[in-house]
Order: sequence, then C-alpha cells, then structure tokens
Amino acid sequence: RKEVEQDPGPFNVPEGATVAFNCTYSNSASQSFFWYRQDCRKEPKLLMSVYSSGNEDGRFTAQLNRASQYISLLIRDSKLSDSATYLCVVNPTGTTTGNQFYFGTGTSLTVIP
Amino acid sequence: DTGVSQDPRHKITKRGQNVTFRCDPISEHNRLYWYRQTLGQGPEFLTYFQNEAQLEKSRLLSDRFSAERPKGSFSTLEIQRTEQGDSAMYLCASSLLAVSYNEQFFGPGTRLTVL
Repeated sequence: RKEVEQDPGPFNVPEGATVAFNCTYSNSASQSFFWYRQDCRKEPKLLMSVYSSGNEDGRFTAQLNRASQYISLLIRDSKLSDSATYLCVVNPTGTTTGNQFYFGTGTSLTVIP
Repeated sequence: DTGVSQDPRHKITKRGQNVTFRCDPISEHNRLYWYRQTLGQGPEFLTYFQNEAQLEKSRLLSDRFSAERPKGSFSTLEIQRTEQGDSAMYLCASSLLAVSYNEQFFGPGTRLTVL
C-alpha cells in the first residue's frame, strides 16, 4: 500500500468554482502534513502546512482528519492562476527523528475561463 | 537569489556515462534532501543529510548512486554507469530543523536525459 494516495484528476473547473482535493495516508503515526503546488516543469512550492485544528490562508483551507487518516485542500473562488498540480505530502515520523517525506502523485487542476 | 540552487539545470548523457549534480541549499538550512521525479509522479525520496551526515537512504538509491555533503553546505549526487531508466528530474530541497513544522524548499531541479 502506498504511503500517500491522491486522486490524480484531472479536475477541470470554471473560474469562481469551489474545488476540494483529498489525500489519504497509511501511517497513523504521521506528524507533519503539507500541500505543495507544482506548475508544469517547475519545482514544487509549499502552498500550506496542515495543522491539526485546520487552517486557512485566503481562499485556501486545509483540514486534517486523523481518525480517517486523510487531509483535504479546499480552494474557493478558483482563479485561472490556480491551475497547477497539487501535491499532498506526509512526514510519518515527525520533525526530530527519521525524516522521509512521502509525496502523493499529485492532483491536476485546470481552471477554465 | 537566496533560494536553493541546482547545477546543471539540464544534462544529456549517453548510457554508461557518469554524471554529477550539485545542490546549494538555503544557507542556514541544516537538512538537505534529494528526490527523483518522473512524469506524472510525485517526487520520490532518495536520501537526506543533516549537516554533513547522511542519515537516511531510500531503497531506490542503488549502488550506482552516491551522495555527499562534505562540509554540511552544498551537496553532490553522482550516478555511475547511467541507464535509460535514470532519466528523470532530480530535485534538491533544504529545510531547517526546528521545533515546528519542517517545511522543505525546493531547487529548480536537474533534468537528466540518458540516451
């Protein structure tokens, strides 16, 4: 079983729409969670960390559900510039010990005018 | 630019040749990671360093791959006797070990093509 699983999409949504991505992880001891954004042929860039209580940054909201072992990303009022691949990232062992980071395959989003 | 840098950005080589890539992390970051990414996949962890110590290596890192970070600053990744299956984007990332989240910052990557 993969450490991190994502629906690869693609998601094609109109401008202004709300879209949500989910990601499941297999290691219940995972401590750190992130969403990264990757544009075509570019490096991944941190979009936001995911905190236990959930967190919001403008139009983006991240949630963590430890009981069901999934994290989610909600994008409201989609913009054309949101078109990218969104990568779910899980660090199973926390910040002070072993430090493999596991990436999902990414979910492709295209926002259509 | 004070971000992570990688050199070269592109490398084309013939099968069987050796290649070496360099990564310069953000200057105060003590952790450095190497990843490999192929089309349609997320980055796959290869190895990571804390300062000059290589603390973890993936099973993906065969004997043909070696990484170093001799002074705890820049790092090199060498691939010996390259194979066509080594063609990928090789990404370097760095982070600062801290009490809170250990966010990684990526370099632009080195795209390797093995002919």
